[in-house]
Amino acid sequence: KNEVEQSPQNLTAQEGEFITINCSYSVGISALHWLQQHPGGGIVSLFMLSSGKKKHGRLIATINIQEKHSSLHITASHPRDSAVYICAGTISNFGNEKLTFGTGTRLTIIP
Amino acid sequence: EAQVTQNPRYLITVTGKKLTVTCSQNMNHEYMSWYRQDPGLGLRQIYYSMNVEVTDKGDVPEGYKVSRKEKRNFPLILESPSPNQTSLYFCASSSPDFSYNEQFFGPGTRLTVL
Repeated sequence: KNEVEQSPQNLTAQEGEFITINCSYSVGISALHWLQQHPGGGIVSLFMLSSGKKKHGRLIATINIQEKHSSLHITASHPRDSAVYICAGTISNFGNEKLTFGTGTRLTIIP
Repeated sequence: EAQVTQNPRYLITVTGKKLTVTCSQNMNHEYMSWYRQDPGLGLRQIYYSMNVEVTDKGDVPEGYKVSRKEKRNFPLILESPSPNQTSLYFCASSSPDFSYNEQFFGPGTRLTVL
């Protein structure tokens, strides 16, 4: 079982719909990252959060530390949001840090 | 422009032919890392470096070597590539403490080993 699990694996929606991608983790993490990978392959960091909620434009990320769960929401989805969304947890071990990744959610927004 | 660069972007090679994928960052980051991405498995860490001359194994280090002689460069070396190393490779850098600092990823190198 992966330490970081995402759901769903694939999501197709109509333009304008509200999107939710979920991430749950089974290990202690100090922060959770949401990343976006476009079809060309490049990866960009969307959010880092260790508590509460963050918002950038139409994207909102939340985390519940007690439940070990994070969600990424996209409001008023657009075809340009089509990408793979990856969550990753920061794990600290004897002063060294590493990221452990979920397998990603492939989002397709249909015009 | 702050960026992580990787070269080459695409490489097709044959089993056993040594190759190096370069990675360079211009943000003066201490931390650098190599990942491979395979379908259904997500990103997995190969090696990482906390600073110059400090490197350590990640989750899947077998068959790979790295060096960190300068802060900006972190090359990935495959001494004797095998077909199971066919993958998409990403280099990343950041300041230490991932709780507060985002990761910057390179554009990726798609490697095929025949």
